[in-house]
Amino acid sequence: GNSVTQMEGPVTLSEEAFLTINCTYTATGYPSLFWYVQYPGEGLQLLLKATKADDKGSNKGFEATYRKETTSFHLEKGSVQVSDSAVYFCALSGYSTLTFGKGTMLLVSP
Amino acid sequence: DTAVSQTPKYLVTQMGNDKSIKCEQNLGHDTMYWYKQDSKKFLKIMFSYNNKELIINETVPNRFSPKSPDKAHLNLHINSLELGDSAVYFCASSQELAGRYTGELFFGEGSRLTVL
Repeated sequence: GNSVTQMEGPVTLSEEAFLTINCTYTATGYPSLFWYVQYPGEGLQLLLKATKADDKGSNKGFEATYRKETTSFHLEKGSVQVSDSAVYFCALSGYSTLTFGKGTMLLVSP
Repeated sequence: DTAVSQTPKYLVTQMGNDKSIKCEQNLGHDTMYWYKQDSKKFLKIMFSYNNKELIINETVPNRFSPKSPDKAHLNLHINSLELGDSAVYFCASSQELAGRYTGELFFGEGSRLTVL
């Protein structure tokens, strides 16, 4: 079956530091891959997505590249801000549903 | 205008009670979902409805019963509440593109249920 594995958090960084959150997946077929973000007290929001191998999704300074050879979709940002503090979920699409990873909390301090 | 709205946002109740959570979306989407998020932030899909028809019904106790009166509404009724039902319940919606599932979900803000 499909599964998503994310690095455990929390990830604690200072403002302007470089961010990487690792995500690897197991899937049959050719799923689309997603990063969702959940800010404190809110629901999840789609951050970025990639629909096929070698695609790069990007939004708000975040990027992730769909790597079929390593079955990975790592999230990166060159310079994080305090406002990026949130829980980040990697996900892949099945036929009619999403499989989410367990989420990685990011804490950014000034 | 909130795209996916849930009520109530907070719900505190005693074990054994019955409660409902309501969800409405004004995006015109065909598919709606209920997810449960536990205290460790783990998200688990519970149900999915497409145009009022049940599509996904994961292994959820039959104390949980979804109801979709129309494609813009999906309510969740829970009977005989237990301590383990304490969680945040999220409603979400999505729209297929050219008949294909896109994986792009729009979530409500969540309903935090606490069972004492």
